[in-house]
Amino acid sequence: GNSVTQMEGPVTLSEEAFLTINCTYTATGYPSLFWYVQYPGEGLQLLLKATKADDKGSNKGFEATYRKETTSFHLEKGSVQVSDSAVYFCALSFSGTYKYIFGTGTRLKVLA
Amino acid sequence: ETGVTQTPRHLVMGMTNKKSLKCEQHLGHNAMYWYKQSAKKPLELMFVYSLEERVENNSVPSRFSPECPNSSHLFLHLHTLQPEDSALYLCASSQDLRLGSDPYNEQFFGPGTRLTVL
Repeated sequence: GNSVTQMEGPVTLSEEAFLTINCTYTATGYPSLFWYVQYPGEGLQLLLKATKADDKGSNKGFEATYRKETTSFHLEKGSVQVSDSAVYFCALSFSGTYKYIFGTGTRLKVLA
Repeated sequence: ETGVTQTPRHLVMGMTNKKSLKCEQHLGHNAMYWYKQSAKKPLELMFVYSLEERVENNSVPSRFSPECPNSSHLFLHLHTLQPEDSALYLCASSQDLRLGSDPYNEQFFGPGTRLTVL
């Protein structure tokens, strides 16, 4: 079946540290891959996406590259800020469908 | 109001109570969704509506009853819930049901209702 696995949190970093949140997936076919972010007290917001192998999604300093050979879509940011503290969800979906398969989420805490 | 709004934001109820969650989207979308978010578990899709018709009922117990009176409003009626139903309930909307690679069609989520069942 299709699934998404994320590293367990919380991930705690100091401001300006480098961030990596790992995400791997299992899928039959060729899904699109997503990162969603959930700030405290808010709903999920789309952070970035990639629709085919080797695509790089980027937004707000965050990047993730669709790696078909390793079935991964790791989220990275070169210098995190306190305002990046949130829960990050990796997800996959197939073109033309409305279903996302989400990971369990990874909580990020950035300390000043 | 903009985006997707949900009320109430917090709800505490006993197992014998009846309550309703409300979702409203101000985006002109045609599809609406209910999700359940529990700690350390992936989001669970509960119900999907397109143009006010239910297209998905994901093996959800009958103590949860959705209602979509129009394309802007979605309700989740709750009755005789169990403590394990305590969770964050998220509403979302999208232009239509075709997600995936379409760059202009994503789901927009509301802030959720934190439900506690005593």
